[in-house]
Amino acid sequence: EPEVTQTPSHQVTQMGQEVILRCVPISNHLYFYWYRQILGQKVEFLVSFYNNEISEKSEIFDDQFSVERPDGSNFTLKIRSTKLEDSAMYFCASTLAGGVNEQFFGPGTRLTVL
Amino acid sequence: QKEVEQDPGPLSVPEGAIVSLNCTYSNSAFQYFMWYRQYSRKGPELLMYTYSSGNKEDGRFTAQVDKSSKYISLFIRDSQPSDSATYLCASDTGRRALTFGSGTRLQVQP
Repeated sequence: EPEVTQTPSHQVTQMGQEVILRCVPISNHLYFYWYRQILGQKVEFLVSFYNNEISEKSEIFDDQFSVERPDGSNFTLKIRSTKLEDSAMYFCASTLAGGVNEQFFGPGTRLTVL
Repeated sequence: QKEVEQDPGPLSVPEGAIVSLNCTYSNSAFQYFMWYRQYSRKGPELLMYTYSSGNKEDGRFTAQVDKSSKYISLFIRDSQPSDSATYLCASDTGRRALTFGSGTRLQVQP
């Protein structure tokens, strides 16, 4: 069964460093998303991406965040200068195009900012 | 105002029981409703997906949406210990930006 994969499973970084989280969405999906979940809190929407551009973003997704689809399979989330409060699980998700809105999530990357 | 509210539990039931999980929401523009299951430190797993009001059944799981009362339910029949997890409801207006509830932790005792 096709699934969303994410690497690394755990990333530890120093405050102020840049990190790139990687995702491989399901191969025939065309919408891609990033969500985050701070420990003990709700899953929160960050950004959606379609046709090589951002379609929606939340207030959390400020100038320190960026997304990219560098090739036909990968989808990345970059955090330019990490803060302690960026420590969270980051989930990638993907959806088929059209009217379907079922979002399938990856296993997540745990980001720890020291 | 929280857009999607969910009782955090924990909800503990004996094996074989019928489980009822519920959410309420405040945004009248929500059209898509989903239930996810999340095991500890794992990604949310899509269980049920419903567009607008009505019921949907898949095996032991039934999802109900009542838009008039802004109420979302998930029923699990013949619950199993393997159903022990956190259940998340999520809603969307069609902007493809899911709004999640806080999750209900379910424990099914063998």
